[in-house]
Amino acid sequence: SQTIHQWPATLVQPVGSPLSLECTVEGTSNPNLYWYRQAAGRGLQLLFYSVGIGQISSEVPQNLSASRPQDRQFILSSKKLLLSDSGFYLCAWSVRGARGYTFGSGTRLTVV
Amino acid sequence: QQQVKQSPQSLIVQKGGISIINCAYENTAFDYFPWYQQFPGKGPALLIAIRPDVSEKKEGRFTISFNKSAKQFSLHIMDSQPGDSATYFCAASSGTYKYIFGTGTRLKVLA
Repeated sequence: SQTIHQWPATLVQPVGSPLSLECTVEGTSNPNLYWYRQAAGRGLQLLFYSVGIGQISSEVPQNLSASRPQDRQFILSSKKLLLSDSGFYLCAWSVRGARGYTFGSGTRLTVV
Repeated sequence: QQQVKQSPQSLIVQKGGISIINCAYENTAFDYFPWYQQFPGKGPALLIAIRPDVSEKKEGRFTISFNKSAKQFSLHIMDSQPGDSATYFCAASSGTYKYIFGTGTRLKVLA
C-alpha cells in the first residue's frame, strides 16, 4: 500500500533562518507531488506541484522554493524565513492522470 | 473565477442532527468536486467526491448534492456524531493537478 511521510511534525524557527521540509512517498512510482500551506483560519493554498523529477511548478511567488531530487521525494525550502511563513504545511501525492489527493500529516511551522 | 466559496465558517449541530455545508463556484470548467475531512493536527483526508454528470452521491451517512445550473454543491452529514467533529473542506478541479479549496467549515457535534 502507498504511504506518505512528512517530517518534522512541528518546527519553531527564528526569523531569517533557513528551512527544509521533506516529504517522501512509498509504494508507488511517478506520483504527482504537491506542497500546500494552511494558514490559521484559512483554506489550503497550493504552493508547488511536480509531475516528475526536477519538474517544479510554482503557484504563488514567495519566499519558498521546492525541489524534487528523486521520484518520490519532495522538499520545501527557504533561505530566510519570514514571520508570514508560519503555518501548517502539507505534502500530498496523487496517481499521475488520476483524481484524488492523499495528504501527509503536515508540519506545523512557527516562525518567531 | 478560480474561487470556491464555502459556508458556513463554523457549525454546531446536536448529536443525531443533519449537518449541511455549502460551496459555490464560478468556473464552469471544474469537473471534479471532492470533500475533505480534517481532524486537528492532521492532514485532510478524502471523504467523498462527485462529478457534474450526477446530482447526488451517497456514501454511508455522507451525501453530496450537486446543482450544476446553480454552480453549487453541498455536503450533508446525516445522524451527525461527536466523532464527525472536524474541519471540512470542499474543493474543485478542472484537471488532475490543481485543486481549488474552500476556506473550510469547522463542525462541532454536541453529545
